[in-house]
Amino acid sequence: GAGVSQTPSNKVTEKGKYVELRCDPISGHTALYWYRQSLGQGPEFLIYFQGTGAADDSGLPNDRFFAVRPEGSVSTLKIQRTERGDSAVYLCASSVNAGGAGELFFGEGSRLTVL
Amino acid sequence: QKEVEQDPGPLSVPEGAIVSLNCTYSNSAFQYFMWYRQYSRKGPELLMYTYSSGNKEDGRFTAQVDKSSKYISLFIRDSQPSDSATYLCAMIGGNTPLVFGKGTRLSVIA
Repeated sequence: GAGVSQTPSNKVTEKGKYVELRCDPISGHTALYWYRQSLGQGPEFLIYFQGTGAADDSGLPNDRFFAVRPEGSVSTLKIQRTERGDSAVYLCASSVNAGGAGELFFGEGSRLTVL
Repeated sequence: QKEVEQDPGPLSVPEGAIVSLNCTYSNSAFQYFMWYRQYSRKGPELLMYTYSSGNKEDGRFTAQVDKSSKYISLFIRDSQPSDSATYLCAMIGGNTPLVFGKGTRLSVIA
């Protein structure tokens, strides 16, 4: 596809369950970002990848959150033992390169609801 | 104090009005300043970016950066109902990832 694709678009789960959110970036974009957006807030940085490696994971809130990008393209954000406070829209973005004024292209997000 | 402060609004204006949106920031390492627009249940999309201080104009939109005051603005002239969205300021510099403001929700009433 032409844009960043995220699946699922909506996910409802129960407290304590494990969740995976997938991001398929724009072809050829080497940098991939995960952000979390709570209601009425701006996107909050979680982690970004340059190629296969996590270049900055300083935004991950705790060790229940983990992300991978094994082949330098698709990325998966994994959340263990979900809590109600994890409910938010998880946004993925990609850019040609990391840093500077490189435009981030966002997907439509995965809306996670933890009951 | 958060790195980027932005009044969340909501802001409601009549069609044709001039809209002024603003952000302040605290990190002097920020060098690139951007405005993203986000429609309901969509991802943000880049509207404008400016490097360092100065003005940039694109059609009905003007972005201003005053690094001495750590203050950035976005002006929308002749606002249209299709401009109704949330406007997010964002900044990057040094080793920081792109940092967003809270967003200002704008409604332009026909």
